[in-house]
Amino acid sequence: GEQVEQLPSILRVQEGSSASINCTYENSASNYFPWYKQEPGENPKLIIDIRSNMERKQTQGLIVLLDKKAKRFSLHITDTQPGDSAMYFCAAGATSSGQKLVFGQGTILKVYL
Amino acid sequence: EAAVTQSPRNKVTVTGGNVTLSCRQTNSHNYMYWYRQDTGHGLRLIHYSYGAGNLQIGDVPDGYKATRTTQEDFFLLLELASPSQTSLYFCASSDAGGNTLYFGAGTRLSVL
Repeated sequence: GEQVEQLPSILRVQEGSSASINCTYENSASNYFPWYKQEPGENPKLIIDIRSNMERKQTQGLIVLLDKKAKRFSLHITDTQPGDSAMYFCAAGATSSGQKLVFGQGTILKVYL
Repeated sequence: EAAVTQSPRNKVTVTGGNVTLSCRQTNSHNYMYWYRQDTGHGLRLIHYSYGAGNLQIGDVPDGYKATRTTQEDFFLLLELASPSQTSLYFCASSDAGGNTLYFGAGTRLSVL
């Protein structure tokens, strides 16, 4: 199947430190890897994405890394703030799979003071 | 920003009941999707569509039907609802596959 594994399921970090979430995928044809943030009671919203022609992408305090050989990608949040507390989902998509995204199980990030 | 509207926002039905969830997007997107969100499983794709009259099977389609009547409207049908279908359902749209998904606010369904 086309599964995406996401770890950890819960992540607690102190304000100001960094947080990392890791995902692995099975479909070697996957070429699009977005990350979505879902705040409590809200819908998921795209925060950053990376395509297979890149290994690293950074926007504001977010960094995504992609290792195609290992079929692994990760999100790094630097200098975490209480507003970063939310559910985060990784996803993988492949043009050959009809453009559908397969999501990971989600990570609850809690930033404490 | 893309507008995706789901209705109803909350629904309670009984086992064996008939439920229709509605989704409308007003940004001329070709692609529309139905996902369910459950703790420990993330977002799982039920059905999706490339355009009016088109339907593609997702990863967890059993017990669900869907219909795309227009470019704007995508419906999810549960004809014999079961307690296992209690979940939070999200509709989403995108202008092309592999691009940003815009999610609706969600429909919380309880099957008693």
